[in-house]
Amino acid sequence: EAGVTQFPSHSVIEKGQTVTLRCDPISGHDNLYWYRRVMGKEIKFLLHFVKESKQDESGMPNNRFLAERTGGTYSTLKVQPAELEDSGVYFCASSGLAGGTDTQYFGPGTRLTVL
Amino acid sequence: QKEVEQDPGPLSVPEGAIVSLNCTYSNSAFQYFMWYRQYSRKGPELLMYTYSSGNKEDGRFTAQVDKSSKYISLFIRDSQPSDSATYLCAIFNAGNMLTFGGGTRLMVKP
Repeated sequence: EAGVTQFPSHSVIEKGQTVTLRCDPISGHDNLYWYRRVMGKEIKFLLHFVKESKQDESGMPNNRFLAERTGGTYSTLKVQPAELEDSGVYFCASSGLAGGTDTQYFGPGTRLTVL
Repeated sequence: QKEVEQDPGPLSVPEGAIVSLNCTYSNSAFQYFMWYRQYSRKGPELLMYTYSSGNKEDGRFTAQVDKSSKYISLFIRDSQPSDSATYLCAIFNAGNMLTFGGGTRLMVKP
């Protein structure tokens, strides 16, 4: 069974540009999460989808970040316009069951560098 | 105050040593405690989780929670070079989000 995949693995853009990150969860998983780790800090929650609905977006840093999950399958996270402080590693995770302690399986991450 | 605190290391040990990794947390309401392992350029991978207080053992790994002192530990017996990674403790919050510590980098030298 394929795990969580993310694309691209690495993106280098200039300040003010737009970048779109993609996450493909494990097939059949209703829950999809985005997390981010900036340099020197801990991994932090950004948002949680249940199918195509945003369940919790309390961790989104500001309105330059837009996450979508059309059709309840893959998800995209767009940063527009990118700022220097957006640099970091963006992780996507998925899990099957809402609630409880269902394991969240993480993708390898997208390393974003904003110059 | 951070919700989960973890010594960043690095922690360097010889092969075969017993490793002790630790975290403290601030909210006494937390019930689910996780340990993730992350290899370089990979995503975090769940190692073990425990509910409430007590110990849980899985092979060479033992997770321990002391709710009275808000302290969680991961012990690795007979450590191997392949155990070299960053170890992340995490709390599972209501609402499905994970709150991570900063991670401890472990190096096991042959």
